[in-house]
Amino acid sequence: GQNIDQPTEMTATEGAIVQINCTYQTSGFNGLFWYQQHAGEAPTFLSYNVLDGLEEKGRFSSFLSRSKGYSYLLLKELQMKDSASYLCAVLRGKAAGNKLTFGGGTRVLVKP
Amino acid sequence: DAMVIQNPRYQVTQFGKPVTLSCSQTLNHNVMYWYQQKSSQAPKLLFHYYDKDFNNEADTPDNFQSRRPNTSFCFLDIRSPGLGDAAMYLCATSRDRRTGRLNEQFFGPGTRLTVL
Repeated sequence: GQNIDQPTEMTATEGAIVQINCTYQTSGFNGLFWYQQHAGEAPTFLSYNVLDGLEEKGRFSSFLSRSKGYSYLLLKELQMKDSASYLCAVLRGKAAGNKLTFGGGTRVLVKP
Repeated sequence: DAMVIQNPRYQVTQFGKPVTLSCSQTLNHNVMYWYQQKSSQAPKLLFHYYDKDFNNEADTPDNFQSRRPNTSFCFLDIRSPGLGDAAMYLCATSRDRRTGRLNEQFFGPGTRLTVL
């Protein structure tokens, strides 16, 4: 089976940094996505990692360690608009139907 | 802009009354997905189409059916909605590739279904 774990909720202050961890167990690993989802809206793409290491994109960075089954999303210089759920999703390859399996999401609340 | 469109955004139906949700895409992607997402939960894959090839998840209830008449359109039919089927239904598309970020799924805005 597959298992993806991430914290349920995190709170941080505007301007601060927050790190959202995600651990996974899966077969046929073909990359890991992070999506942002505001309440009542569709998930939107933030990042994709398939090789070990850090991918940086503006205020957001994502890290992957395949040997440890671990990823994190780092949000810097937090803004109020960053209050949302952040979904970790593992992509399994074509043999498994190119399917995304989502974690339960981490709700981030940014306070002034 | 190329996009994934879902209609309606909000749908209210009665217990047991069939309902159809629609999804269309202008991305010309050959894979389309339907997810069910309940409040504060992860999206759960119901089924997906790889071109015209239908792939049902093992735990998707028989109450849920889907049709894909052409590349651009995909429908979700709920034959006899129950109170437990109230959720957000997300449509997504992806371009088939063997590897990489091109497997990214693009989501529509979702249809929120209420069952009375």
